Amino acid sequence: GAGVSQSPSNKVTEKGKDVELRCDPISGHTALYWYRQSLGQGLEFLIYFQGNSAPDKSGLPSDRFSAERTGGSVSTLTIQRTQQEDSAVYLCASSLVEGGVTEAFFGQGTRLTVV
Amino acid sequence: QKEVEQDPGPLSVPEGAIVSLNCTYSNSAFQYFMWYRQYSRKGPELLMYTYSSGNKEDGRFTAQVDKSSKYISLFIRDSQPSDSATYLCAMSEGNTPLVFGKGTRLSVIA
Repeated sequence: GAGVSQSPSNKVTEKGKDVELRCDPISGHTALYWYRQSLGQGLEFLIYFQGNSAPDKSGLPSDRFSAERTGGSVSTLTIQRTQQEDSAVYLCASSLVEGGVTEAFFGQGTRLTVV
Repeated sequence: QKEVEQDPGPLSVPEGAIVSLNCTYSNSAFQYFMWYRQYSRKGPELLMYTYSSGNKEDGRFTAQVDKSSKYISLFIRDSQPSDSATYLCAMSEGNTPLVFGKGTRLSVIA
């Protein structure tokens, strides 16, 4: 596809369960970002992958959150032992040029609801 | 003080009006500036991208960056009801994650 693809689009999970969210970036994009958007709030930075560099994990809210990017392409965000406050829209973005231009394109997001 | 400040609105204007949306920031190292439009229950859509200071125009949209004042603006001319959305500013030093404002909700009334 031409854009950033995220799956699933919606996820309802029980408190305490683990969830995995997937992001397929635009082909050839070297940088990948995860953000979280809670109701009525702005975008909260979670993690940033840039080429082969170590990811910037400074935005992850707790050790229940982790992310990986395999082969420089697909990324998975994992939330362990989900809590109700984890309910939000999780957005993934990718950008073309590492170390300079950061014109980032977003996917449609995964709406996570923890019940 | 947050790194990026943006008035959340809501801002309501009549169709055809000129809309001015603004962000201020504190980090003088920011060099890349973007405006995104987000419709309800959709991902943010990139509208304008500017490097360093200056103006950029694309159709009805004009982006301005004033690095000396740490102030960026997005102008929408001849606003349309379809422009009703939340507008988010974002900026980066270049090799760093994008930092976003909280977004301004705009309603254009027919």
